Amino acid sequence: GAVVSQHPSWVICKSGTSVKIECRSLDFQATTMFWYRQFPKQSLMLMATSNEGSKATYEQGVEKDKFLINHASLTLSTLTVTSAHPEDSSFYICSARPLAGGADTQYFGPGTRLTVL
Amino acid sequence: KQEVTQIPAALSVPEGENLVLNCSFTDSAIYNLQWFRQDPGKGLTSLLLIQSSQREQTSGRLNASLDKSSGRSTLYIAASQPGDSATYLCAVVRMGAQKLVFGQGTRLTINP
Repeated sequence: GAVVSQHPSWVICKSGTSVKIECRSLDFQATTMFWYRQFPKQSLMLMATSNEGSKATYEQGVEKDKFLINHASLTLSTLTVTSAHPEDSSFYICSARPLAGGADTQYFGPGTRLTVL
Repeated sequence: KQEVTQIPAALSVPEGENLVLNCSFTDSAIYNLQWFRQDPGKGLTSLLLIQSSQREQTSGRLNASLDKSSGRSTLYIAASQPGDSATYLCAVVRMGAQKLVFGQGTRLTINP
């Protein structure tokens, strides 16, 4: 149980285009989902926290207009990278906190590798 | 601001050895600390979670300790195997917060 999926697992796009990444909790409902990015050989940096039905909370330095987050249901959150540029190339990972679970429980997705040419 | 540091950044040891990975954090007011494993190009797998009131947790060949007063945690791996090769990340949750703050990770290689 407690599986989180991400789609796509990898994507290559041209500079200036927008890319949508989906994060789904497959067998549980998630009140909160988190989006992280990870540069090569570096740690995970939290980008934003999204709660179902409300606006996402972005970390300092993360452009909310560039990284659009939608948490439309208790099992789905999406991250859209708008007008992507090569510096946005990174590994994006989501995690989900179960509706019925402790505050310290998060399940991580397998990640999405974004390459912007 | 909570900062998490992991030493060493990389470690390579022969199979069968016992080893210790280190994690330190600057703010001792934590809710819990977790150790994760990340295989190349993959997501994270939670290994052990230590609540702030606990001093250690064990799972199989893994043992994690927590010394909140000194801001340190260690992950002990016994009888290492090639399959243990991965990046190990520690992360803390600050009191009153819900987000994880990660260290940079230790890239572990176990040589057959």
